[in-house]
Amino acid sequence: RKEVEQDPGPFNVPEGATVAFNCTYSNSASQSFFWYRQDCRKEPKLLMSVYSSGNEDGRFTAQLNRASQYISLLIRDSKLSDSATYLCVVGHNDMRFGAGTRLTVKP
Amino acid sequence: DVKVTQSSRYLVKRTGEKVFLECVQDMDHENMFWYRQDPGLGLRLIYFSYDVKMKEKGDIPEGYSVSREKKERFSLILESASTNQTSMYLCASRLQGGGYTFGSGTRLTVV
Repeated sequence: RKEVEQDPGPFNVPEGATVAFNCTYSNSASQSFFWYRQDCRKEPKLLMSVYSSGNEDGRFTAQLNRASQYISLLIRDSKLSDSATYLCVVGHNDMRFGAGTRLTVKP
Repeated sequence: DVKVTQSSRYLVKRTGEKVFLECVQDMDHENMFWYRQDPGLGLRLIYFSYDVKMKEKGDIPEGYSVSREKKERFSLILESASTNQTSMYLCASRLQGGGYTFGSGTRLTVV
């Protein structure tokens, strides 16, 4: 079993849709959680950290469920510019990346 | 604005060559990392370093070595390049507990 798992997608959604991604992890000692966005042929860029109480940044909401060992990312009112691959990152000193979920938002 | 700079964006090398990939960060971060990214496999950790002259093997260190003589610089060395090392190489740095900042990547092709 991989340490961090994501549904690879692709998720194809219309503009304005709400879409959610999950990321499960196996190491219960994990302390740090992040969502990254990666555009085609570019480096990953930090989208948001994930805090225990959940956090929101505009149209993006991140949540952590320690009991079930997963984090989630919710995107509301999807824009064309949200099309990218979304990577979850989980760990403590030793961080692990998910393989990414590809999102395409269509007009 | 914080920055991680990788020396080359694209590189083509021959099988058997020794290859150096350089990475410099200007954020005074202790931790630096080298990953490779391949389609369907995601990011895989090659080596990382918590401090100057320290290095730790990641998940796929075979065929690679690293050097960290100064805090801001972390070099990845392919001792004898092989075609299965054709990949996108990403350097990153982070503060303990913080997120990663990545360089723009080096797309290496070994022919």
